[in-house]
Amino acid sequence: QLQLQESGPGLVNPSETLSLICTVSGGSINSSSYYWDWIRQTPGKGLEWIGSIYYSGSTHHNPSLKSRVTISVDTSKNQFSLKLSSVTATDTAVYYCARRQQYYYYMDVWGKGTTVTVSS
Amino acid sequence: SYELTQPPSVSVSPGQTASITCSGDKLGDKYACWYQQKPGQSPVLVIYQDDKRPSGIPERFSGSNSGNTATLTISGTQAMDEADYYCQAWDRSTAVFGNGTKVTVL
Repeated sequence: QLQLQESGPGLVNPSETLSLICTVSGGSINSSSYYWDWIRQTPGKGLEWIGSIYYSGSTHHNPSLKSRVTISVDTSKNQFSLKLSSVTATDTAVYYCARRQQYYYYMDVWGKGTTVTVSS
Repeated sequence: SYELTQPPSVSVSPGQTASITCSGDKLGDKYACWYQQKPGQSPVLVIYQDDKRPSGIPERFSGSNSGNTATLTISGTQAMDEADYYCQAWDRSTAVFGNGTKVTVL
């Protein structure tokens, strides 16, 4: 049974870089059948798609986050990661990683989420 | 940017049918999916590709999508169905979520 687990600091200073890792267990990230996504949730904006990565390293991100997002994959560790630079209080959210089917693009497996607070 | 609009809340009596709408420009030309989220939990996929149920999702959950509106229908609603529901579609390679609908089973 595939499981995803987010990990990383729960508190980040304003203007610094938020870094999270998603560890995939029970299956391989090195598959052409899936994309691997990051999504966040805030009380004010609801669910917001951040971006995704394919096992080959190809990425897409939400234009609303401009160039602040970097997503990478480490197939040897079965992990993918998120870096969000120049964070502000508005980046405070629960961050989820998820698996997305290559066809029809639905997210069928989600991690439990991790809360990140941006504050000094 | 593309927007999906849902009613903030829907109330339903146990055993009755709840319908949750999701509106977006030419949404029927895209595939819609729906997620259920209970307090303190991560979202769970309940409908994908407009009207398909993942394994393990009860038959009382169904979906449709036409014109500008996708609809999630819960037939014979049970207390355990009380949750937030989010629609989602893709526009120009970007995933877009609706604002969410809180379903209350009275």
